[in-house]
Amino acid sequence: EDKVVQSPLSLVVHEGDTVTLNCSYEVTNFRSLLWYKQEKKAPTFLFMLTSSGIEKKSGRLSSILDKKELSSILNITATQTGDSAIYLCAVAYVTQGGSEKLVFGKGTKLTVNP
Amino acid sequence: DGGITQSPKYLFRKEGQNVTLSCEQNLNHDAMYWYRQDPGQGLRLIYYSQIVNDFQKGDIAEGYSVSREKKESFPLTVTSAQKNPTAFYLCASSIAHSILAGVSNEQFFGPGTRLTVL
Repeated sequence: EDKVVQSPLSLVVHEGDTVTLNCSYEVTNFRSLLWYKQEKKAPTFLFMLTSSGIEKKSGRLSSILDKKELSSILNITATQTGDSAIYLCAVAYVTQGGSEKLVFGKGTKLTVNP
Repeated sequence: DGGITQSPKYLFRKEGQNVTLSCEQNLNHDAMYWYRQDPGQGLRLIYYSQIVNDFQKGDIAEGYSVSREKKESFPLTVTSAQKNPTAFYLCASSIAHSILAGVSNEQFFGPGTRLTVL
């Protein structure tokens, strides 16, 4: 049973295009939603979203959470070849045992061609 | 430099052998995690530990074991009982905020170990 669903699973664009990546989730005791970028090895942190409707920005990347729709989007404007990576969405929730866990989506593989 | 290190980077194992993957962090984080990543599968949680000498099974713990004798270290053993161990293994750590504090925990990842069973 998928708790975090990302779409599309892969995307090929040209440099300069704008892309929108989607993440929807279904968990109980939601704490936050996180976006990571994974190139060759370790995922690197992009954003953590806890409040609905507040956009977070970092350069050409931005993200927003919609708790009513149980979803988030990650936007990348003016894409560059260096944006090529797998973008992972993860949702943090509190378990019955009282600890926090992350559940990941399968990722969106973005390829930016020159 | 603070961070998470994993070793080895690449590991080859014969069927029927146990192997241990190392994960060390000097971030003074309480919580540590092991994930497995397969193509098209995202990251799946194997084991996690919120505090020294305590750990819990994740979603795919069968065929794996861990220990947490020191705060800095969280080694993962892939046993011969794991039927399909070839994968990319990622270790992560985070500050374990109190649940009551209502603060979520960002996880920091190590560079990973790619395990191949021959």
